[in-house]
Amino acid sequence: SAVISQKPSRDICQRGTSLTIQCQVDSQVTMMFWYRQQPGQSLTLIATANQGSEATYESGFVIDKFPISRPNLTFSTLTVSNMSPEDSSIYLCSVVKQGSEAFFGQGTRLTVV
Amino acid sequence: AQSVSQHNHHVILSEAASLELGCNYSYGGTVNLFWYVQYPGQHLQLLLKYFSGDPLVKGIKGFEAEFIKSKFSFNLRKPSVQWSDTAEYFCAVFLSGGYNKLIFGAGTRLAVHP
Repeated sequence: SAVISQKPSRDICQRGTSLTIQCQVDSQVTMMFWYRQQPGQSLTLIATANQGSEATYESGFVIDKFPISRPNLTFSTLTVSNMSPEDSSIYLCSVVKQGSEAFFGQGTRLTVV
Repeated sequence: AQSVSQHNHHVILSEAASLELGCNYSYGGTVNLFWYVQYPGQHLQLLLKYFSGDPLVKGIKGFEAEFIKSKFSFNLRKPSVQWSDTAEYFCAVFLSGGYNKLIFGAGTRLAVHP
C-alpha cells in the first residue's frame, strides 16, 4: 500500500494568484499523477509527474498553467498558476505501484474568488 | 486516443433491484481495470480490481465485475442494491505498455430509493 499526505487540504485564493500543492508518499514510487475533479464530475488526468524530468501533460493542460516538480521518488508539487474561478476544483495526487491499485491523497479543495 | 466510456450517467433503482453499470475502454494493450465508488462528500474508495486470471472478480459490499476482453468491457454488477449504495461509481483503466497512466470514465450517479 501507500500512504499519501497532500497539503493544503483546502484553500481559498484570489484570482490571479498561484497555489502550490504538495504530495508526500511514504515509500518510493515510480508512477505519480495529478488529477483534477471539478464539481460533480469525474477525475481528469492533468499530468504524470516524472522524477528528474519534465512532467508529461495530457491534452488541454500546459506546463505554464500547471507546473509540476518531482525532485525524488516520494515527493511532488503541483502549482496552479494565475488562477481564475474556473480553476476551482479538487486536485488529487495519486500513485500507482506496479501490479497494484492506485492510491490517492485526500485532495486539495481549491476555491478561487 | 485512449478513453473510458461509462454508458449510464444516472441510474435510479429501488432497493433490492439488480444493478449493472457498463464500462468500455479503447486501448489495445495490456490493462488493469478498476471500479471506484465515491459517496457524497467523501473520497474515492476502491470497490474491486482486475489484473489477470479469472475475469469475474468480486469486490467489497457485494459488488462484482466481469472483464470481457473481446468487448473491451468491465461491467459492474450487484444482484440486490441497498439504499446505502447511493453514490457515484467510476470505472478506471490503467494503460500499460508505455503509457503507464490511469484514466477514468465520466462516472455513473446511482440513486437507490427505499
